[in-house]
Amino acid sequence: DGGITQSPKYLFRKEGQNVTLSCEQNLNHDAMYWYRQDPGQGLRLIYYSQIVNDFQKGDIAEGYSVSREKKESFPLTVTSAQKNPTAFYLCASTPTSGGLNEQFFGPGTRLTVL
Amino acid sequence: GQQVMQIPQYQHVQEGEDFTTYCNSSTTLSNIQWYKQRPGGHPVFLIQLVKSGEVKKQKRLTFQFGEAKKNSSLHITATQTTDVGTYFCAGFRVTTDSWGKFQFGAGTQVVVTP
Repeated sequence: DGGITQSPKYLFRKEGQNVTLSCEQNLNHDAMYWYRQDPGQGLRLIYYSQIVNDFQKGDIAEGYSVSREKKESFPLTVTSAQKNPTAFYLCASTPTSGGLNEQFFGPGTRLTVL
Repeated sequence: GQQVMQIPQYQHVQEGEDFTTYCNSSTTLSNIQWYKQRPGGHPVFLIQLVKSGEVKKQKRLTFQFGEAKKNSSLHITATQTTDVGTYFCAGFRVTTDSWGKFQFGAGTQVVVTP
């Protein structure tokens, strides 16, 4: 089955700790995205990558970092600098960058910082 | 801030009734997509509108894109319990870095009463 996997589904961390969220896709898509979803709000773009070894900041990149060393993987690190990290994190991919592609979403990781 | 406004935020519907959710952008969009997120799930692509004044139908769902490409609507007829979820619009606009990005609305959460 082709798709996007995110692990783990639920993640708990203590305040001040960095944490890395995994995102893997076997769709052979070039572009990958990280979104944050908070209750009552839409999805906000954290980082995106149009192609391997390249990534750009989205609207709310502060306190986050990413890497794109492999086409199929786009891990997101939530650093201790992120002031309010508790949220639902969604990874997505598209065949190429640009707005005419359907975004395929992973199941998401719900991060709770205690 | 949010440049794509979506209303209403909540919609309680009696089974069998119709309802409409609206999406308004402060800027002209290249295209717009609609997604549905079931409770506890991730967004799933429904449809994409590209042309000014475009209308598309999917069974009981009718999607419209405004003539000025600044607004869109989703109309559901004869609501069923399977329509429960949150419906998001995502407008794409080209940005100065020549790529562009999606701006998601806050979503309309739909609750259906049998």
